[in-house]
Amino acid sequence: GDSVTQMEGPVTLSEEAFLTINCTYTATGYPSLFWYVQYPGEGLQLLLKATKADDKGSNKGFEATYRKETTSFHLEKGSVQVSDSAVYFCALILRGNNNAGNMLTFGGGTRLMVKP
Amino acid sequence: DGGITQSPKYLFRKEGQNVTLSCEQNLNHDAMYWYRQDPGQGLRLIYYSQIVNDFQKGDIAEGYSVSREKKESFPLTVTSAQKNPTAFYLCASRSGGGSYNSPLHFGNGTRLTVT
Repeated sequence: GDSVTQMEGPVTLSEEAFLTINCTYTATGYPSLFWYVQYPGEGLQLLLKATKADDKGSNKGFEATYRKETTSFHLEKGSVQVSDSAVYFCALILRGNNNAGNMLTFGGGTRLMVKP
Repeated sequence: DGGITQSPKYLFRKEGQNVTLSCEQNLNHDAMYWYRQDPGQGLRLIYYSQIVNDFQKGDIAEGYSVSREKKESFPLTVTSAQKNPTAFYLCASRSGGGSYNSPLHFGNGTRLTVT
């Protein structure tokens, strides 16, 4: 089946450090890839997405590139802030099945803690 | 502003009682979903609904029930048959009948504690 694997957290960084959160996937078809962010006590928000190989999703200084050859979608940010402290989820959905039953598959989440 | 409203934010119940979690959306989305999130874990799908009066079981539907009488509303009942109900429950919706490119929109969740 389809699956998403993320690096285990927590990831603890100092403010302005470089961030990488690894995400790899296995899929039976051709997926679209997503990163969601969950701030404390809240639901998930879409952070960025990429729908085909070599696409780069970006938002709020975060970037991730869809690498089909390595089945990866690593999240990066050049300079993290305390306000980036949250849990980050990588997810995939298979293309070509256009109904509500086409489920997002989530990774287990990676907690990021940024210290001032 | 359009969005998804889950209420209440915190809910406490005694073991053996049924409890209903509310989810309302004004995004005009066709598809709605319930997920369960346990500490340190990812999201697991409980139920989903593509249209009014229709819903399907997800991966962990046992001990839960839903209804979809209106497009805007998708309440989840946690029954006494759910063996481990304490968790964070997230409601989500998606437009376009579930187009693969459309992202999920989430509510802010309900944290249920059963003692």
